[in-house]
Amino acid sequence: DVKVTQSSRYLVKRTGEKVFLECVQDMDHENMFWYRQDPGLGLRLIYFSYDVKMKEKGDIPEGYSVSREKKERFSLILESASTNQTSMYLCASSLHRGPQPQHFGDGTRLSIL
Amino acid sequence: KQEVTQIPAALSVPEGENLVLNCSFTDSAIYNLQWFRQDPGKGLTSLLLIQSSQREQTSGRLNASLDKSSGRSTLYIAASQPGDSATYLCAVQYGNNRLAFGKGNQVVVIP
Repeated sequence: DVKVTQSSRYLVKRTGEKVFLECVQDMDHENMFWYRQDPGLGLRLIYFSYDVKMKEKGDIPEGYSVSREKKERFSLILESASTNQTSMYLCASSLHRGPQPQHFGDGTRLSIL
Repeated sequence: KQEVTQIPAALSVPEGENLVLNCSFTDSAIYNLQWFRQDPGKGLTSLLLIQSSQREQTSGRLNASLDKSSGRSTLYIAASQPGDSATYLCAVQYGNNRLAFGKGNQVVVIP
């Protein structure tokens, strides 16, 4: 079974802090994704990556960056956290670039005070 | 732009009744459609994936159908149980490996 692990279930940070959310998958998947989920807005894609050191913007990349130095790890970075980034963040991975099912982690509920 | 709609947003059914959840999407050029389950405060668990060439998929009490030409999918859950209470999300895969999600059906099964 695919295992996608997000380092924190809950996180509380202050406005202006630099925040790192970590995601690790254990199945040698090429693709990794970061989403945020908000009530009434559903899941929205922030960034995704097809390979190491490769990234592409999703639908709402503003205020975020990502890092993929190793194939199994994909980090989401909030450069200067703001209250409107309070949300549930979900990481996913899929096997390769073709149409493949995405497997999700348990999510990180991030609160910015 | 691909848009996915799930109506109603919330529903309640008595235990033992069959559940029928509907999903519609605007662009029929999809690779596949996935149904997910999400429990409160948790991530997404994949239930069923239907490839664009398929008409349905079954797993235990769950059956999902796909009518790509009309842009519709239906998830059936037979003989619902209180443990089926959750939010069910529909997502279509299109374009460059993108997923477009519906906002979900929040289901409560009443004992």
